[in-house]
Amino acid sequence: EDQVTQSPEALRLQEGESSSLNCSYTVSGLRGLFWYRQDPGKGPEFLFTLYSAGEEKEKERLKATLTKKESFLHITAPKPEDSATYLCAVQGSGGSNYKLTFGKGTLLTVNP
Amino acid sequence: DTEVTQTPKHLVMGMTNKKSLKCEQHMGHRAMYWYKQKAKKPPELMFVYSYEKLSINESVPSRFSPECPNSSLLNLHLHALQPEDSALYLCASSPTSAGQQALYFGPGTRLTVL
Repeated sequence: EDQVTQSPEALRLQEGESSSLNCSYTVSGLRGLFWYRQDPGKGPEFLFTLYSAGEEKEKERLKATLTKKESFLHITAPKPEDSATYLCAVQGSGGSNYKLTFGKGTLLTVNP
Repeated sequence: DTEVTQTPKHLVMGMTNKKSLKCEQHMGHRAMYWYKQKAKKPPELMFVYSYEKLSINESVPSRFSPECPNSSLLNLHLHALQPEDSALYLCASSPTSAGQQALYFGPGTRLTVL
């Protein structure tokens, strides 16, 4: 069974204080690892897809990286508007094509 | 246009009511999904439609009845719900059912069952 563990559960940063969120996973054949951002009471917003170890993707202040066991979401010089819950999800080859296994998320708070 | 829309935004219903949630996407996606999300929990898959046919039912109780009238629309019919069914209901779509593709989520419907 695919498993995803995100750490920390919550992270509080000062504006401009760079940090990283971790997503550790176990999966039988990784088909894709997905990062989402979710604001309170809203649907998850797609950020990145990573397919293979060594791959990196960037968008504004966010950079996602992937190894064979984990993914990191690096946040450079965050702003208060980056405050949200960040969800990591994996899709493995062992199950259905459609099935995403989500982590519990990291709640990021960026103080001005 | 990478938008999935859902109506209504909020719904309050009694346990004897019948109501429907609606979802629409105009991205030409051929796979559509219903997820349920409780507070401070990740989304849980309920149903998957691929090319307008039901592909997956994650052992969801029959009081939830999905419908896919066409490739752009997805409905979730609700009947005789329980208070524990109160949650954020999310619709999502992806280009095809082939996997390895990101899901695009709608804003959700906040459902409260009294």
